[in-house]
Amino acid sequence: SAVISQKPSRDICQRGTSLTIQCQVDSQVTMMFWYRQQPGQSLTLIATANQGSEATYESGFVIDKFPISRPNLTFSTLTVSNMSPEDSSIYLCSVEAGYETQYFGPGTRLLVL
Amino acid sequence: GQNIDQPTEMTATEGAIVQINCTYQTSGFNGLFWYQQHAGEAPTFLSYNVLDGLEEKGRFSSFLSRSKGYSYLLLKELQMKDSASYLCAVRDTGGFKTIFGAGTRLFVKA
Repeated sequence: SAVISQKPSRDICQRGTSLTIQCQVDSQVTMMFWYRQQPGQSLTLIATANQGSEATYESGFVIDKFPISRPNLTFSTLTVSNMSPEDSSIYLCSVEAGYETQYFGPGTRLLVL
Repeated sequence: GQNIDQPTEMTATEGAIVQINCTYQTSGFNGLFWYQQHAGEAPTFLSYNVLDGLEEKGRFSSFLSRSKGYSYLLLKELQMKDSASYLCAVRDTGGFKTIFGAGTRLFVKA
C-alpha cells in the first residue's frame, strides 16, 4: 500500500491569488495524478505527473492555470493560479501502487472568496 | 466519447443485500474499479476487475461483463457504516488514465 499526505488540508483564499498544494508519498511511484472533486460531484482528472517529464493535462485544464511539479518519485505539487470562486473544490493527489490499485491522498479543501 | 452511468442514490436496510450497477462506454478499457467514499474523506479502493466474471472479497463482490459494458458492486450483510458514495471508474488503455462515474450515494437504514 501507499500512504499519501497532502498540505494544506484546507485553505481559504482570496480571488486572484495562487495556492500550491503539496503531495508526499511514503514510497517511490512512477505515476502521480491530480484530481478535482467539486461539491457533490465525482472526481475529474486534472493531469498526470511523471517524474522527469512534463505533466499531461486533460481537456479543460491548462498548465498556466494548474502548473505541476514532479521533482522526484515521492513528491509533487499542484498550483491553482489566479483563483476564482469556481476553483473552490477538493483537490486530491493519487498514485498507482501496483497495476490494480490506486490510492488517494486525504485531499485539500479549497474555498476561494 | 467517455461515459460512465450509475444510479444517483439508493437506500437499503441494515442486514440486506444491495447491488449497485454501472454501465460504461469508453474509447478504451483496461480495467474497472470500485471505490468507497465517505463524506468528507478520500476514496478508498474496493475492487478491480479486468476479466469477465465475479470477484468476491468478504462482504463485497464485483462483477464485470466487458461485452455489455456493465459492472455491478454487490454488498452483503449491510451495516450502517456502509452508508457512503460508491464510485465506478474505468481505466483507459495507455497512460493509465482513470475516468470516474458520478457515484452512487447509498443510505443504509436501520
